[in-house]
Amino acid sequence: NAGVMQNPRHLVRRRGQEARLRCSPVKGHSHVYWYRQLPEEGLKFMVYLQKENIIDESGMPKERFSAEFPKEGPSILRIQQVVRGDSAAYFCASSPMLSDEQYFGPGTRLTVT
Amino acid sequence: KQEVTQIPAALSVPEGENLVLNCSFTDSAIYNLQWFRQDPGKGLTSLLLIQSSQREQTSGRLNASLDKSSGRSTLYIAASQPGDSATYLCAVSLGGSNYKLTFGKGTLLTVNP
Repeated sequence: NAGVMQNPRHLVRRRGQEARLRCSPVKGHSHVYWYRQLPEEGLKFMVYLQKENIIDESGMPKERFSAEFPKEGPSILRIQQVVRGDSAAYFCASSPMLSDEQYFGPGTRLTVT
Repeated sequence: KQEVTQIPAALSVPEGENLVLNCSFTDSAIYNLQWFRQDPGKGLTSLLLIQSSQREQTSGRLNASLDKSSGRSTLYIAASQPGDSATYLCAVSLGGSNYKLTFGKGTLLTVNP
């Protein structure tokens, strides 16, 4: 079985551009979580989604960041008008049920130049 | 607000040594605690998950213990090998659900041959 897949693995954007990060959860998992790991920082929760619904976005910056998990296709984390401070590793995790163990993907490393 | 601290930040040991990594958390009302391994530039691999009602979990050369009342967990690695070199992360879930994992900053372990 394929685990959580994220693409691209590395993404370079210039300031002001948009970044789109994709996450395909483990087959059969309907719960998706995004975390961000800033340099020298621990992973921080950003957002929790179920199919077609954002359940908790309390960790996501109010501006420029958005997330979706459509009925068909991967979950998308979108960052508009990126700034240097957005440079980080973004990890996606999935679980079959809310109370289950989370399985993490390999991450997308975003570099803003 | 839940905070997770890992000590030491870095540890270097010769091959074959037994070692202990420490994790402490400020709010004892956790649902579960997970230990992860992160290799450079890679994603997270779940090592052990301890439910709040459990005291310890074992997998091969790894043993994790949990003391909720004191807000502490330890990860014991027996007979360390160079392949164990990685960053070890501790994470706790907030409240009664499993999303919003709160991570420590990790312990960077180097096992020298």
